[in-house]
Amino acid sequence: GDSVTQMEGPVTLSEEAFLTINCTYTATGYPSLFWYVQYPGEGLQLLLKATKADDKGSNKGFEATYRKETTSFHLEKGSVQVSDSAVYFCALSDRSGGSNYKLTFGKGTLLTVNP
Amino acid sequence: DTEVTQTPKHLVMGMTNKKSLKCEQHMGHRAMYWYKQKAKKPPELMFVYSYEKLSINESVPSRFSPECPNSSLLNLHLHALQPEDSALYLCASSQGVQKQGWDGYTFGSGTRLTVV
Repeated sequence: GDSVTQMEGPVTLSEEAFLTINCTYTATGYPSLFWYVQYPGEGLQLLLKATKADDKGSNKGFEATYRKETTSFHLEKGSVQVSDSAVYFCALSDRSGGSNYKLTFGKGTLLTVNP
Repeated sequence: DTEVTQTPKHLVMGMTNKKSLKCEQHMGHRAMYWYKQKAKKPPELMFVYSYEKLSINESVPSRFSPECPNSSLLNLHLHALQPEDSALYLCASSQGVQKQGWDGYTFGSGTRLTVV
């Protein structure tokens, strides 16, 4: 079945450092790929997405490129802020049940950014 | 309106209580979902409703009973829960089948449930 593997945390960085969170996937077909962010005490928010190979998703300074040849969707940000401290989930979509899409999540990576 | 609203935000219930969680969206989404999230874990799918019909039940115990009264509302009825059912319960909605470019889920902020 489909699966997502992302780097285990926690990741601790200083403000303005460069961030990479690795994500690789296994899927049949052509899934869409997503990064979700969960701030403490909240639900998940869509951070960015890519629907086909070589697409780059971007939002709030974060970027990720859909790499079919390496089955990867690594999250990057050039300069992190304290407010970026959160749990980040990589996910892929899978069409199931005939009329639905279902998300398969990675285990999540806790990012802490210190001032 | 681009939100999924969940009520209540917090709920404490005894093992003999009956309670309900509510979820509402007005984005015209025709698929709605219940997820359970334990601390430091990813969300786990419980139920999927598509066009108000239950399409996926991920072998969830019968003490959890979902209901979709109309295209905007999703309920989760709780009865005789166990302490291990304490978790964050997330509702989500999405567009139905798309040829490509499915936008993913919009999540609510969740109900934090504690069973005592």
